[in-house]
Amino acid sequence: GAVVSQHPSRVICKSGTSVKIECRSLDFQATTMFWYRQFPKQSLMLMATSNEGSKATYEQGVEKDKFLINHASLTLSTLTVTSAHPEDSSFYICSARDAGGGEKLFFGSGTQLSVL
Amino acid sequence: GDSVTQMEGPVTLSEEAFLTINCTYTATGYPSLFWYVQYPGEGLQLLLKATKADDKGSNKGFEATYRKETTSFHLEKGSVQVSDSAVYFCARYNQGGKLIFGQGTELSVKP
Repeated sequence: GAVVSQHPSRVICKSGTSVKIECRSLDFQATTMFWYRQFPKQSLMLMATSNEGSKATYEQGVEKDKFLINHASLTLSTLTVTSAHPEDSSFYICSARDAGGGEKLFFGSGTQLSVL
Repeated sequence: GDSVTQMEGPVTLSEEAFLTINCTYTATGYPSLFWYVQYPGEGLQLLLKATKADDKGSNKGFEATYRKETTSFHLEKGSVQVSDSAVYFCARYNQGGKLIFGQGTELSVKP
C-alpha cells in the first residue's frame, strides 16, 4: 500500500530555535497534504492544508508565521516550527491524499517535538 | 458544529475478550464514517469505513455499523488479540471536506 514517510520521528530542541519536519509520499504523488497536531489524550487537530505549488490554507487559530508550510513538489511537504517555545511541544502528524483520486488518506508516523 | 466523540481510554483487555469502543458524531446530513488505527511507532491506517446509514464496515475481524438513530459508529471485535494493541480513532469529514477525529482510544490487550 501507499507509504508516507515522516522525518524526524522525534526531535528535542532549545527554545527559540526552528525545527523542520518533512513529509514524503514514497510511491504516489500527493497534490494535497495535511498537517495535524495532537496533544496527549486529545484528538488530532487539523492545522493546515498544503497544496502543491500554492500557499497553504491554515485553520482558524493557527499562526501561519509560526508554522511555515512548504509543498514544493508532488511528493514533499515540510512544516517548519519557527522560534519554537515549550508550548509548541506536541505530536505532529502529516497525511497525504493520492493525486490519482479517492477519499483515502495516508498518514506519516508522526513527529514528537519537545522544546526545552 | 461537526464533531466526533469517542470513549476515553486506555482500555485494557485479556486476549480473546470482546471489544467495544464507542463513537458518536454530530452532523448535518449523513457523512461517511471511518475508524483509523495507529499501531506503536506507525502512522494511522484506515481500518474500516461506512458511507451511509445502516452500512456495516468490517476488516481484520473488526466491525462497525453506521446507526443514524443513535448517531453512532461503535467499533467491535469478538475476540481481540495482543496484536490488536493500538490507538483507535473514529473520524468523519466535516462540511468543509476536512477529516476530523475523535480523541483516540488506546487499547492494550494482555496475553
